[in-house]
Amino acid sequence: GIQVEQSPPDLILQEGANSTLRCNFSDSVNNLQWFHQNPWGQLINLFYIPSGTKQNGRLSATTVATERYSLLYISSSQTTDSGVYFCAVERNTGFQKLVFGTGTRLLVSP
Amino acid sequence: DVKVTQSSRYLVKRTGEKVFLECVQDMDHENMFWYRQDPGLGLRLIYFSYDVKMKEKGDIPEGYSVSREKKERFSLILESASTNQTSMYLCASSFFRPSNQPQHFGDGTRLSIL
Repeated sequence: GIQVEQSPPDLILQEGANSTLRCNFSDSVNNLQWFHQNPWGQLINLFYIPSGTKQNGRLSATTVATERYSLLYISSSQTTDSGVYFCAVERNTGFQKLVFGTGTRLLVSP
Repeated sequence: DVKVTQSSRYLVKRTGEKVFLECVQDMDHENMFWYRQDPGLGLRLIYFSYDVKMKEKGDIPEGYSVSREKKERFSLILESASTNQTSMYLCASSFFRPSNQPQHFGDGTRLSIL
């Protein structure tokens, strides 16, 4: 089946720093989503981005489907950005079945 | 805003019990999904449903069943709970058409089987 790899697995930042999270996937996919799981376990949609670039405030994402990777950029990080960031890809089998990566755990310290 | 509600945030059950996890969504979504999340493994799909009374196995269906009697409600059933089913369970929903729709998640249920 399709493999989804995220890097780095862990990241520690000082507040105000910028970072880039990467998601590689092993096969062509229909779509890709980025999620943020906060310390309370809630999974929040960040981006739905099968290709191209999107921006939402301090966050932006780029997916290059032909090269099978996606990047999530966090600028001017804040302590509330802490948590786990997941990339999930939708297989080409219909029914929107997602395969998740194992996540990047981010800690932003004041 | 989409609201996906899971009936319990925390649940403690005993080995061998029949356990029901409930999920309700208020956006008239056709698709509903159950995932479990374990450290180092990310989220894995257990079952999904694309219509009332329709269900499809995901990647790890063993030991679980599901029920979808109404469009807004999707139940996950642990037929005979075992300790290896201790996990975080997350429900999600989305529109079936058009196909490029994001999934929206509930807050999760942390289930402990003793």
